Amino acid sequence: AQSVTQLDSQVPVFEEAPVELRCNYSSSVSVYLFWYVQYPNQGLQLLLKYLSGSTLVKGINGFEAEFNKSQTSFHLRKPSVHISDTAEYFCAVTPSLTGTASKLTFGTGTRLQVTL
Amino acid sequence: KAGVTQTPRYLIKTRGQQVTLSCSPISGHRSVSWYQQTPGQGLQFLFEYFSETQRNKGNFPGRFSGRQFSNSRSEMNVSTLELGDSALYLCASSLDAGTGYNEQFFGPGTRLTVL
Repeated sequence: AQSVTQLDSQVPVFEEAPVELRCNYSSSVSVYLFWYVQYPNQGLQLLLKYLSGSTLVKGINGFEAEFNKSQTSFHLRKPSVHISDTAEYFCAVTPSLTGTASKLTFGTGTRLQVTL
Repeated sequence: KAGVTQTPRYLIKTRGQQVTLSCSPISGHRSVSWYQQTPGQGLQFLFEYFSETQRNKGNFPGRFSGRQFSNSRSEMNVSTLELGDSALYLCASSLDAGTGYNEQFFGPGTRLTVL
């Protein structure tokens, strides 16, 4: 079984400041890793994913994440946030053995609040 | 190409009733997964359907069931509703061509309130 821990439930940050949202996972098998964003009254949108290869992955809207296997972490970063980045962010994993991502295990989410 | 659509968007039911939610995947997508999102339990996987067969199942009681039709549209049903079933129910579809990674695309969800 897999589990995901998002260490911060809320992260307040000023506009144009950098931000890091932390994610740690636990799994006995190899996994794919994801970050999703959820805006109010909407579904989930994929920000970025790690499947294999380079441990630094870049996603949409200027976000990037780094996979650290030894620390079982997949932290999300953005060098300069915008008001429009205010949303809920979810880290998720799924076993890579199946070759699909049909059964995602999610963290509890981090609310990113960007203010002027 | 149209995204994943879910109907209805909002629903209010009373305890003991049953409810059916519908999900239309992106055209050509064959896999449909359902998730429940609540403030207390977060996002939890309910089940996945592929080619009209349940392929994966989460840890939910038998009151939660689903099915998939030949056109890949899916429905989920919750019988004997409880207050704790109040949640946002999300549907996701993927192409699932059989090889490699297939991204899941999420719908906007159905907000179910049980009174």
